Amino acid sequence: NAGVMQNPRHLVRRRGQEARLRCSPMKGHSHVYWYRQLPEEGLKFMVYLQKENIIDESGMPKERFSAEFPKEGPSILRIQQVVRGDSAAYFCASSPDLTQYTDTQYFGPGTRLTVL
Amino acid sequence: AQSVTQLGSHVSVSEGALVLLRCNYSSSVPPYLFWYVQYPNQGLQLLLKYTTGATLVKGINGFEAEFKKSETSFHLTKPSAHMSDAAEYFCAVTLNRDDKIIFGKGTRLHILP
Repeated sequence: NAGVMQNPRHLVRRRGQEARLRCSPMKGHSHVYWYRQLPEEGLKFMVYLQKENIIDESGMPKERFSAEFPKEGPSILRIQQVVRGDSAAYFCASSPDLTQYTDTQYFGPGTRLTVL
Repeated sequence: AQSVTQLGSHVSVSEGALVLLRCNYSSSVPPYLFWYVQYPNQGLQLLLKYTTGATLVKGINGFEAEFKKSETSFHLTKPSAHMSDAAEYFCAVTLNRDDKIIFGKGTRLHILP
């Protein structure tokens, strides 16, 4: 059973460009969470999605950031018009349906975004 | 709102010595508590978690943590440190199993030869 997959692992963008980060949850998982880790800080929650629904986006910046988890395909975190302050590691986590026992979030390896 | 405080951003212990990483939480209701480890340039790996039941939780790699409600603490320990334990450790809390996880700022563990 493959783990949570994220791509790309490293992404370099110039200011003003768009960054698109992908997350494929573990097989059988329908809950996806995105977290951001700034240098020397812990992870900060951004958004929680289920298939085709945003459940909690309280941690998302109001502008330039958006996320989706379509019926088919990976979850996408999109950052428009990136700025240097967006440079960080972005982690995706997934968890299974509530009908199953386990309640652990499994983390992917992260995408390290560098904005030049 | 819940929060997590990790005391000490850096902790150094000698190889073979006791590891103690401190974590205190703030929560209005009984929380779920976690410890995650992050090796350089990697994602987070779950070490152990407390949900309900036994307050002493054993995890992977010889780590364990004890939930102490009276002290609102969930300190992580390991009897004997190994060089491979050098990493960053995050304490985390959530109120519901489908809720966002609130992380502490992390403690970087250094192992001295």
